[in-house]
Amino acid sequence: AQKITQTQPGMFVQEKEAVTLDCTYDTSDPSYGLFWYKQPSSGEMIFLIYQGSYDQQNATEGRYSLNFQKARKSANLVISASQLGDSAMYFCAMREGAGANSKLTFGKGITLSVRP
Amino acid sequence: DTGVSQNPRHKITKRGQNVTFRCDPISEHNRLYWYRQTLGQGPEFLTYFQNEAQLEKSRLLSDRFSAERPKGSFSTLEIQRTEQGDSAMYLCASSLSGRSGNTIYFGEGSWLTVV
Repeated sequence: AQKITQTQPGMFVQEKEAVTLDCTYDTSDPSYGLFWYKQPSSGEMIFLIYQGSYDQQNATEGRYSLNFQKARKSANLVISASQLGDSAMYFCAMREGAGANSKLTFGKGITLSVRP
Repeated sequence: DTGVSQNPRHKITKRGQNVTFRCDPISEHNRLYWYRQTLGQGPEFLTYFQNEAQLEKSRLLSDRFSAERPKGSFSTLEIQRTEQGDSAMYLCASSLSGRSGNTIYFGEGSWLTVV
């Protein structure tokens, strides 16, 4: 089974509106971390937001928030007030296990296009 | 700029040639990772180091691939006898060990085209 699933083929959003990018994950480890990265056409992977499996509150970082639903094993990224510069690929990733002792496993990504 | 630095950014090589990529991590980071990304896919883990020790290698890392981090600072990834299937972007990343929330920071990647 895939550990990270991102099934939306491509998303479009109007500038200044909010958009939700879906991510579901699969793990039997009770301790894990979930990450979202943005990859513009230049190729660099830019860290956006992190959610730990034991965190009581949903993570927020500026215009980014993570809708963490543990029972459903979903970790959707919400981008508020979309900007043209948000157009990029977005990847959800998971690190399993306590501590920083393991690698990230990535999903296939979602393309987001922001329309003016 | 004190981020993760990779070079060369782009490399075109003929099949059968050897190529080497270099990664300079964020200076205080003791963990260094190599990932490979092909078009339309997410990055796939290749290997990682803690200081100079190579702690894990993916089965994707065939015998033609070798990575080193001799002094626990910069790292090199060498591909010998390149094949067209090696064409991809090779991403380097670094982090601190210790906490699961320690972020992994990526470089801009090195694009490899094998012709």
